[in-house]
Amino acid sequence: EVQLVESGGGLVQPGGSLRLSCAASGFTFSDHWMHWVRQAPGEGLVWVSRINNDGSITNYADSVKGRFTISRDNAKNTLFLQMNSLRVEDTAVYYCTRHLHDWGPGTLVTVSS
Amino acid sequence: QSALTQPASVSGSPGQSITISCTGTSGDVGAYDYVSWYQQHPGKAPKLMIYDVSYRPSGVSNRFSGSKSGNTASLTISGLRAEDEADYYCKSHTTSNADVFGTGTTVTVL
Repeated sequence: EVQLVESGGGLVQPGGSLRLSCAASGFTFSDHWMHWVRQAPGEGLVWVSRINNDGSITNYADSVKGRFTISRDNAKNTLFLQMNSLRVEDTAVYYCTRHLHDWGPGTLVTVSS
Repeated sequence: QSALTQPASVSGSPGQSITISCTGTSGDVGAYDYVSWYQQHPGKAPKLMIYDVSYRPSGVSNRFSGSKSGNTASLTISGLRAEDEADYYCKSHTTSNADVFGTGTTVTVL
């Protein structure tokens, strides 16, 4: 069974940084594209970023380009999202997903002073 | 990367069929057969219902079906049930090597 568990969310001040992690199990992690998707409170889903199976290709939404960095450690079956220069509008639940098919439960990031 | 356009709400009585539209452009929905649909209940993670326009993952009821014509994709739920009440989102890959979600549709079972 595919399992994805996000961690690293929390409260951070505007301009601060946070690193999200996603522990994957139940499938061959190194074979799959992985994505991050976020959802602000009461709002819709927004695609954030994706990374190919070996980490050589990454893509970002315009709203996070230059501030967020997606990466992965295939030896540890873990996906990451480094978030810098955080803004109030980055407040959301962040979901880790395998190929946008299987989803974790999400981790809440709150950017507030 | 503008969100795909969906109706804010759709409703139907138990047993009826409803259809949710998802309108994009030639740069996303119209470009590829990579449209997916997700169901999300309050406080829960999204669940994949349809992928690649019309394919159902294992375990998803055949009451859910998808189609596409030009820049518009559609999700049809037949034999509507109370448990189908949820938010639904479409998603498409884009020619900019990104993915984009729809604005979301709340389905109400009357």
